[in-house]
Amino acid sequence: GENVEQHPSTLSVQEGDSAVIKCTYSDSASNYFPWYKQELGKRPQLIIDIRSNVGEKKDQRIAVTLNKTAKHFSLHITETQPEDSAVYFCAAGITGGGNKLTFGTGTQLKVEL
Amino acid sequence: EAQVTQNPRYLITVTGKKLTVTCSQNMNHEYMSWYRQDPGLGLRQIYYSMNVEVTDKGDVPEGYKVSRKEKRNFPLILESPSPNQTSLYFCASSLLGNANEKLFFGSGTQLSVL
Repeated sequence: GENVEQHPSTLSVQEGDSAVIKCTYSDSASNYFPWYKQELGKRPQLIIDIRSNVGEKKDQRIAVTLNKTAKHFSLHITETQPEDSAVYFCAAGITGGGNKLTFGTGTQLKVEL
Repeated sequence: EAQVTQNPRYLITVTGKKLTVTCSQNMNHEYMSWYRQDPGLGLRQIYYSMNVEVTDKGDVPEGYKVSRKEKRNFPLILESPSPNQTSLYFCASSLLGNANEKLFFGSGTQLSVL
């Protein structure tokens, strides 16, 4: 089955700096890669996703890049703000029936003032 | 308001005492799923259901049961809880169960088994 590795497990940045979280996946059939954000004590929420026919996707300060050949994808957050502090989960799945998303182990991002 | 509702938010129990965590969604979603979240292990799928009366094992189903008698409800049952089931549990749903659909998560249940 699919295996998703996520690094780093913790990341501390100064406010205004950029943050990058990286994930690798094992199943070359995976073609959908979402990112979920979980604020302290809250539920995970989808923040951005990318499909395998696209190399990069941006939404304001957040971007995701995908390298299908290397089987890795990354989340980039620019101009970080304190409200970006959260746990971020990457995931990989195959579109079609059977919602089988495999999640990474999570990255605790802390944005320091 | 469209939401997934889990109860209870916190639960402390003792080894072997049967318990049920309820999950209900009001979005008419076909797909529902249970995850457990443990430090360093991320979100791992326990069971999922593609529709009423259709359930299947996820990655860590041992020690858990589920049922899907109605579309809106998907309870998680621990017949004989053990300390290694101490965890944060999330129920989630999506429209049809395709991997590329947004998952809507409940607010979580923190379970402690003593």
